[in-house]
Amino acid sequence: AQSVAQPEDQVNVAEGNPLTVKCTYSVSGNPYLFWYVQYPNRGLQFLLKYITGDNLVKGSYGFEAEFNKSQTSFHLKKPSALVSDSALYFCAVRDWSNTGKLIFGQGTTLQVKP
Amino acid sequence: DTEVTQTPKHLVMGMTNKKSLKCEQHMGHRAMYWYKQKAKKPPELMFVYSYEKLSINESVPSRFSPECPNSSLLNLHLHALQPEDSALYLCASSQDRAGGYNEQFFGPGTRLTVL
Repeated sequence: AQSVAQPEDQVNVAEGNPLTVKCTYSVSGNPYLFWYVQYPNRGLQFLLKYITGDNLVKGSYGFEAEFNKSQTSFHLKKPSALVSDSALYFCAVRDWSNTGKLIFGQGTTLQVKP
Repeated sequence: DTEVTQTPKHLVMGMTNKKSLKCEQHMGHRAMYWYKQKAKKPPELMFVYSYEKLSINESVPSRFSPECPNSSLLNLHLHALQPEDSALYLCASSQDRAGGYNEQFFGPGTRLTVL
């Protein structure tokens, strides 16, 4: 079965410091991986995706993610956190067996303190 | 237009009411989705439409009835809901049919409260 794990319920970072939100996956075959962000009382916004190619993927709002096949990880990173980055972050993998359904991790709340 | 719109933003309904949620996109996307999301939890897929045909129903109770009148519009008809159905209902769309690898674009959601 395909799955995604986000091991941290919450990540706390000081403004200006680098941030990492962790994601590991378990799939059969090549993974299609996504990161989404959700601000309070809003829908999900797409940040970036890995399909194939370069392991370092750059996305919206200065975020990037590194695909690591040997560690089956796809961690989200940003060199310098902003207070406005505080939100709920979801990692997702496309489910090959069921016409492209997304399998989401449980989510990580990022809190950036001034 | 790179937006998915949803109406209404908020909906309060009794258990005997009939109401509908509406979702619209004008990006030419051919796959559209309904999700249910409880607070601080990941979205749960309910239905997928691909080229205006229902392709996935995730064993959703029949009190939820989806409809796709055309390629830009997706409705979710609600009838005889239960209080536990209270949640944020999200609509999403993606460029190709549901089996592709394009990202999904989400609407802002409808916050539903069932009394």
